[in-house]
Amino acid sequence: ELKVEQNPLFLSMQEGKNYTIYCNYSTTSDRLYWYRQDPGKSLESLFVLLSNGAVKQEGRLMASLDTKARLSTLHITAAVHDLSATYFCAAGTYKYIFGTGTRLKVLA
Amino acid sequence: DAGVIQSPRHEVTEMGQEVTLRCKPISGHDYLFWYRQTMMRGLELLIYFNNNVPIDDSGMPEDRFSAKMPNASFSTLKIQPSEPRDSAVYFCASVAWGEAFFGQGTRLTVV
Repeated sequence: ELKVEQNPLFLSMQEGKNYTIYCNYSTTSDRLYWYRQDPGKSLESLFVLLSNGAVKQEGRLMASLDTKARLSTLHITAAVHDLSATYFCAAGTYKYIFGTGTRLKVLA
Repeated sequence: DAGVIQSPRHEVTEMGQEVTLRCKPISGHDYLFWYRQTMMRGLELLIYFNNNVPIDDSGMPEDRFSAKMPNASFSTLKIQPSEPRDSAVYFCASVAWGEAFFGQGTRLTVV
C-alpha cells in the first residue's frame, strides 16, 4: 500500500531565506503532485511531475522528482510572506495518496 | 468552466441524521475522487470513480458511508446515520490528464 511522508511538518522561516520540503513515498509511482492549501480554502495544484528527473519551476517554487529514490523536493527560493500556506505532495497513478502536509510560515 | 462544484458549503446536523454531500465534476473529466480532511488524520481518500464506476472504496470508513455517481456530471456522498466523529471537510476532486482539480469542499459539523 502506498504511503507518502513529508518533512518537515512545520516550517517557520524568514523572508529572503531558502528552504526545501521533502516528500518520500513507499512504492513505485510514476507521478508526483504538489498542492498548496490556504487556511479554510481548497487545494490548488502547483506541479505535476511525470517522469524521473522532472523539474518544474514557478516563481520562487521549484519541484523535482527522483523516482529511483522515491523522493520529491519542493524548493523555496528567497521566501516571501505570500508563500505562507500548507503544502501537500501526493503520489499515485490513479489513486492519489496525500502526504501529511507541511505548514509553512514566512516571517517578515 | 466553473470548476468542481460542491454543495452545500457548510452543513450542521444532529447526530443520527442522514447527510448528503453533492459534487459536480468538471465536464470531460473521467475520474472523480472523494476525500475527507481533518486535523488529526489529514487528507484521506474515501472512494474514487472512473467513468462513473466505483473503482476503490477501501477508504470508506464504515458502512454508514456510501457514494454514488449516477452520471458523468453528478456524484453524492451519503452518511447515514451521522456521528460527531464524521465532522470534517469533505472534498471532491475531478481528474483529467493526470491533474486533480478540487472543489471548495463541504464543512460538515455533526453535533
